[in-house]
Amino acid sequence: DSGVTQTPKHLITATGQRVTLRCSPRSGDLSVYWYQQSLDQGLQFLIQYYNGEERAKGNILERFSAQQFPDLHSELNLSSLELGDSALYFCASNALVTDTQYFGPGTRLTVL
Amino acid sequence: EDQVTQSPEALRLQEGESSSLNCSYTVSGLRGLFWYRQDPGKGPEFLFTLYSAGEEKEKERLKATLTKKESFLHITAPKPEDSATYLCAVQARSGNTDKLIFGTGTRLQVFP
Repeated sequence: DSGVTQTPKHLITATGQRVTLRCSPRSGDLSVYWYQQSLDQGLQFLIQYYNGEERAKGNILERFSAQQFPDLHSELNLSSLELGDSALYFCASNALVTDTQYFGPGTRLTVL
Repeated sequence: EDQVTQSPEALRLQEGESSSLNCSYTVSGLRGLFWYRQDPGKGPEFLFTLYSAGEEKEKERLKATLTKKESFLHITAPKPEDSATYLCAVQARSGNTDKLIFGTGTRLQVFP
């Protein structure tokens, strides 16, 4: 158990819909990272937040957005969902940006 | 462009048959190299961090080594429970933060 929690574990929805994924970092960690993992691709970095502020962006679509709240939990919002958005979404956290990232158990999103 | 390549893509071993997984990388300013283990449908589990050429880390049947261009994950006398996908990631500076670039992994199967 890494100490990072994610909810829900599974999410099934339809094209065009909007969903929210939630992540709680390890106690004391200020940074949260979001990744997408599809069958045909490796782990793709989406976005990073540090102590409530956006720090870095990766391959994140404009339909996707995220935020980090004062209690340091983070939410990833996915809208206008397409079939190709079906994937595992992982959250990771660390205390300092130079530290090891610890991953949560992931949310499996299925878009039908 | 920063890049991480892992080989082989898949590896089948008999229990007790030692082998090595390779991770080659090109990155401007390596700040660290990480090995993770990932079981199907689960989040990556941290194994090792290596920071400089010549460094070695060991944990049970696993040993990670680092050179200036590649890293190896040696598996000695593997057991079926070592079956998993092993991910390599390099940490590089990007703007005002560090980013992790993942390889696509080596899928290891160990048969009794």
